[in-house]
Amino acid sequence: IAGITQAPTSQILAAGRRMTLRCTQDMRHNAMYWYRQDLGLGLRLIHYSNTAGTTGKGEVPDGYSVSRANTDDFPLTLASAVPSQTSVYFCASSDGITGELFFGEGSRLTVL
Amino acid sequence: QKEVEQNSGPLSVPEGAIASLNCTYSDRGSQSFFWYRQYSGKSPELIMFIYSNGDKEDGRFTAQLNKASQYVSLLIRDSQPSDSATYLCAMHMNRDDKIIFGKGTRLHILP
Repeated sequence: IAGITQAPTSQILAAGRRMTLRCTQDMRHNAMYWYRQDLGLGLRLIHYSNTAGTTGKGEVPDGYSVSRANTDDFPLTLASAVPSQTSVYFCASSDGITGELFFGEGSRLTVL
Repeated sequence: QKEVEQNSGPLSVPEGAIASLNCTYSDRGSQSFFWYRQYSGKSPELIMFIYSNGDKEDGRFTAQLNKASQYVSLLIRDSQPSDSATYLCAMHMNRDDKIIFGKGTRLHILP
């Protein structure tokens, strides 16, 4: 089934550890996005990429990094996790035609 | 101030009534606006997108865009209990191709 795959689904992580959330799409979409969702705050954009080889900062980029080596993959890395990064993380892609976002199932991250 | 503002609710509407959800935005250059629905524990899913001033209807849903006043709204007619969810307004920002969301409005349809 075509779509976006995120991994892991859920993770508990000690503060200070490095963590990479994986995101892969098979729709050949150029644009990809990472959002975090916290209760009462909606979806906040962390980083995005309009095409392979380019990335940009979103609303809350501090503490996170991304890479876009190819069209399909867009990993999000927390270099040194902190408890405030406890959240649900959604990866999404866009076809660039309608602008519709297609979301993965989310990754629930808990930093202790 | 967020680029996209929504009342977080909860908004309670009797079954069968019209639910009205509103969103204001700050970027006058933005052209594309979206409404997503998100059930608890699930990913957001697109309900409607709108690019032009005026109304756009799809079944029980109507999106309204007023660029001069910088607001976009979503009307749900004949509200059903299954419409109970969080509704997220989103905007595509032309200047940098970001897609920014509001905080979302929780809607409760009362049986």
